Amino acid sequence: DTAVSQTPKYLVTQMGNDKSIKCEQNLGHDTMYWYKQDSKKFLKIMFSYNNKELIINETVPNRFSPKSPDKAHLNLHINSLELGDSAVYFCASSHGTPEASRTQYFGPGTRLTVL
Amino acid sequence: QKEVEQNSGPLSVPEGAIASLNCTYSDRVSQSFFWYRQYSGKSPELIMSIYSNGDKEDGRFTAQLNKASQYVSLLIRDSQPSDSATYLCAVGGYNFNKFYFGSGTKLNVKP
Repeated sequence: DTAVSQTPKYLVTQMGNDKSIKCEQNLGHDTMYWYKQDSKKFLKIMFSYNNKELIINETVPNRFSPKSPDKAHLNLHINSLELGDSAVYFCASSHGTPEASRTQYFGPGTRLTVL
Repeated sequence: QKEVEQNSGPLSVPEGAIASLNCTYSDRVSQSFFWYRQYSGKSPELIMSIYSNGDKEDGRFTAQLNKASQYVSLLIRDSQPSDSATYLCAVGGYNFNKFYFGSGTKLNVKP
């Protein structure tokens, strides 16, 4: 069974649309993350949730809104999509503590293309 | 200055050689250090984690950490063509409220 899953795998949409990406993990982790990887392969953290509470919120436009209904799920909603939002979005999960357990496991990624 | 810096490469080594990948970080209080491997079109997967100064070995991989120099490296012995990928260095802060990836080093192992 897939440990960290994301849907959809590919998303092609027009500028100005609103879209959501879903993430689920079955590893029993209490911390989940969203990353954006641009065309230059730079992987940048966007958000992190621990036990459904937001703990990292990097400088991300407020068009991006994460939602964590429970510890196993972290969804990402994007309003008014722009060309620059085109990227691969990765979800990841880890234990919050102890530090030795903070290895992050990544989902397969969602390739978002905004036309 | 970026929080985590890596040479983008590509680093080309012949099959069977030792590949040496380097990473420097700016936050002196960083506590946890990771190396991830990412094949083209795939998600990052963990290779090694290291938390204290010195060397940590796992099979053909050795991670080296020097907190005084704010430097972490990954050695791959007996490099194989299947090791060809982008290697990402990642650094976590003390409270894990900061976590940064480097831009990655592309490794090519030539048969």
